[in-house]
Amino acid sequence: QVQLQESGPGQVRPSETLSLTCTVAEGSMDAYWWSWLRQSAGKGLEWIGRIYSSGNTNYNPSLKSRVAMSVDTSKSQFSLKLTSVTAADTAVYYCARGGTIFAHWGQGTLVTVSS
Amino acid sequence: EIVLTQSPGTLSLSPGERATLSCRASQSVASNFLAWYQQKPGQAPRLLIDGISRRATGIPDRFSGSGSGTDFTLTITRLEPEDFALYYCQHYGSSPFTFGPGTTLAIK
Repeated sequence: QVQLQESGPGQVRPSETLSLTCTVAEGSMDAYWWSWLRQSAGKGLEWIGRIYSSGNTNYNPSLKSRVAMSVDTSKSQFSLKLTSVTAADTAVYYCARGGTIFAHWGQGTLVTVSS
Repeated sequence: EIVLTQSPGTLSLSPGERATLSCRASQSVASNFLAWYQQKPGQAPRLLIDGISRRATGIPDRFSGSGSGTDFTLTITRLEPEDFALYYCQHYGSSPFTFGPGTTLAIK
């Protein structure tokens, strides 16, 4: 059973860059899509984007100008960077396996944007 | 972007009863690409159903999905205590993949 775990700072200052990493355990990353999603009280569940094990990416158009994802299969990790954050980016961030439907999720990590 | 609306916002029922949750899309969902998730407090969402009606691994058969086009339903027969939670629908026919605002299934 694949397991995913998010890691990264719990607080980011406005205008700075949010950086998170997802570590995948008990399974190969090869030939799968991997996604980032977030959940906030204001916007509910939101798909941020996805990255294939080869590095191909697709991003939500609403965030595309600020998002970058990367993957390192040798470390069983994939990452999210979100630039120029504001309070609206405060949310629980999840990583998940899948590019369209999400059967395996991390436990989520709360990121608060605050000075 | 496809906008999903869910009704009711809150559904209050008793264990043993039948629950019917609705999800409506702002435009037709391509190729039946509609999924349902359950979320409990402090936990990540759990995939229940994809492809409108296909139960995910380990999901009991009291959960069923139906619908087509823009109108979809999640039905839970014979509610168990562990079924009281938040339920989301999600479309994945075209990017961006979006979620509905959720229906809270509460114990009456």
